[in-house]
Amino acid sequence: GESVGLHLPTLSVQEGDNSIINCAYSNSASDYFIWYKQESGKGPQFIIDIRSNMDKRQGQRVTVLLNKTVKHLSLQIAATQPGDSAVYFCAASGGSYIPTFGRGTSLIVHP
Amino acid sequence: GAGVSQSPSNKVTEKGKDVELRCDPISGHTALYWYRQSLGQGLEFLIYFQGNSAPDKSGLPSDRFSAERTGGSVSTLTIQRTQQEDSAVYLCASSPDREAGNTIYFGEGSWLTVV
Repeated sequence: GESVGLHLPTLSVQEGDNSIINCAYSNSASDYFIWYKQESGKGPQFIIDIRSNMDKRQGQRVTVLLNKTVKHLSLQIAATQPGDSAVYFCAASGGSYIPTFGRGTSLIVHP
Repeated sequence: GAGVSQSPSNKVTEKGKDVELRCDPISGHTALYWYRQSLGQGLEFLIYFQGNSAPDKSGLPSDRFSAERTGGSVSTLTIQRTQQEDSAVYLCASSPDREAGNTIYFGEGSWLTVV
């Protein structure tokens, strides 16, 4: 089955710096990937997604990079703000319509 | 409403009691998911409904857990004879058809505490 893992449980950055959150997945058949942001006491909120036919996708202040060769994806947040403080999850799906989630990275932004 | 709605938002129950958690998905979404999130942990898949197909129950941790979806819309997750290890946030999510990319949208969760 699929397993998804994040490299670091906690990431601390200074306000204004760029943040990079990493994620690895195990199933080479995975073809769709999503990043979610979860603030304390709330449900996960969709940030950005990417399909396996792409290696980069950009949103507002966020970029997702996908490296299918090593089964790795990353979320880059530009000019990190205190409001970006949250737990970030990656999820992978393919074949099955059921996304598998990693354990999350807690992003702490220091003013 | 515009998003996935879950109730109750918080539930404290005594060990051994049954609980029901409700999910109202985004209108028009055919797929509905239940996940469980224990404190500080990731999201654990429980059950998946797609249209009128038989649900995928492969994530249910024991036969004390069951779920149904009536009329292709509202879903209820039932936990019988609750145990302390059932304490967690139960998250419901919905998504449009597969062709829409399988992005799933979550509700705010039902926080269950078993004492």
